[in-house]
Amino acid sequence: DAGVIQSPRHEVTEMGQEVTLRCKPISGHNSLFWYRQTMMRGLELLIYFNNNVPIDDSGMPEDRFSAKMPNASFSTLKIQPSEPRDSAVYFCASSFRVSGRAYEQYFGPGTRLTVT
Amino acid sequence: QKEVEQNSGPLSVPEGAIASLNCTYSDRGSQSFFWYRQYSGKSPELIMFIYSNGDKEDGRFTAQLNKASQYVSLLIRDSQPSDSATYLCAGPNRDDKIIFGKGTRLHILP
Repeated sequence: DAGVIQSPRHEVTEMGQEVTLRCKPISGHNSLFWYRQTMMRGLELLIYFNNNVPIDDSGMPEDRFSAKMPNASFSTLKIQPSEPRDSAVYFCASSFRVSGRAYEQYFGPGTRLTVT
Repeated sequence: QKEVEQNSGPLSVPEGAIASLNCTYSDRGSQSFFWYRQYSGKSPELIMFIYSNGDKEDGRFTAQLNKASQYVSLLIRDSQPSDSATYLCAGPNRDDKIIFGKGTRLHILP
């Protein structure tokens, strides 16, 4: 089975440009998570979806960030306009979540974003 | 207090010895924990999860959960150079979000 798929794997862009990151979760999983990882702050949860519905976006740093999940097999994370401080590795993860119990998450390979 | 805390390391362990990684958490209601391994430049990979008090063994790995003391540990027996990585502990908070620690860097000395 294919794992979580992310694209692009690397993105270099100039400040002010729009950046769109893409994720395809594992088939059959009903929850999807977007994380950002930096040396200083570690792994931070940005937003997560359950059954395609955004449940908690409290980790989204500001209005420049937005995420969508139009169907069970695709999600995007958009940054507009991008800034140098957005440079990080962005991971998408998915899981099969059953109410009342914790759930294992499986991570994609990540997108390394560099904003110059 | 942060919800999930780990010593950042690095923790250096001779090859063949036991590596012991620890994690403390603040939410007494947390029922389950996960250990992820992350190699440099790679994504986190789930290696162990534990849902109940006590020990859980899987090959060279043993996860230990002590709810009374609010800590969870990972033991790696017969450490190999390939075990050198950052190990992330994760557990749910009261809002049922999975919170990750910042990770402990483990270095196995050949």
